[in-house]
Amino acid sequence: DQQVKQNSPSLSVQEGRISILNCDYTNSMFDYFLWYKKYPAEGPTFLISISSIKDKNEDGRFTVFLNKSAKHLSLHIVPSQPGDSAVYFCAASDLRGSARQLTFGSGTQLTVLP
Amino acid sequence: NAGVMQNPRHLVRRRGQEARLRCSPMKGHSHVYWYRQLPEEGLKFMVYLQKENIIDESGMPKERFSAEFPKEGPSILRIQQVVRGDSAAYFCASSPPGPRTGNTIYFGEGSWLTVV
Repeated sequence: DQQVKQNSPSLSVQEGRISILNCDYTNSMFDYFLWYKKYPAEGPTFLISISSIKDKNEDGRFTVFLNKSAKHLSLHIVPSQPGDSAVYFCAASDLRGSARQLTFGSGTQLTVLP
Repeated sequence: NAGVMQNPRHLVRRRGQEARLRCSPMKGHSHVYWYRQLPEEGLKFMVYLQKENIIDESGMPKERFSAEFPKEGPSILRIQQVVRGDSAAYFCASSPPGPRTGNTIYFGEGSWLTVV
C-alpha cells in the first residue's frame, strides 16, 4: 500500500525551462511534506518543505505547491540547470505516537539537457 | 557542524557473514532512522530509534536484522548471515527531538553493502 506515489519514474527537460515533479498521497494524516534530491552514490539531500497549512513555499529556483483537497504536491524548478539532474524524492510526515516519521515516494529521475 | 556520519561507506561480505553498519547522528539530534534502497527502488523505511529505545521497527525484516542506539556511541544496524538479497544502500538519517512539524530529517552519505 503506497501512501506516497511518484507516478513518473523519469523526466527530461531542456536547460532553462521549467521542471515540474509531481507527488500524490493518500493518508490525510500527513501534515508536512518534503522534497529530497539524490545524486548517485550519495545520500538524499533535503531541498525544500511545506507545512499543510500553506499551499506554496518558495526558495530560490525551487517552489513547492500543495493542494490538500487533491492530496497532491508538486516541485517546480525554474530555470532548470544541468546540475539539477538527480533523483527527486517526495516525502510526507505524520505524527505517530510521540514522534514524526517520513514516508517516501519511489523517486523521479530528472535529466536536464544542456 | 558535522552531518550524519555513516561508516563504512562500502562493505563487502560473503554469504553467511555478519554486516555491521554504524551511524552517528548530527549534533543535537536524538532520533535516528535507517532506510534501505534496493537497486532500482526507492527509499524504504526500516527502523526508527531514540537513545536506548526502538520506537518503530515495522520496516525491519523479521529475521537476521537488528538495530540499536545505545546511550553512548553510534547507532548500529546489524545483519546476520547475509544473503545476496541484502545487497543495497543503507541510509541513516537523524532529526531533532520533539514532534514539531518542522523537524526535518537529514541523511548520511549511505553505506553500500555488497554480498558476494
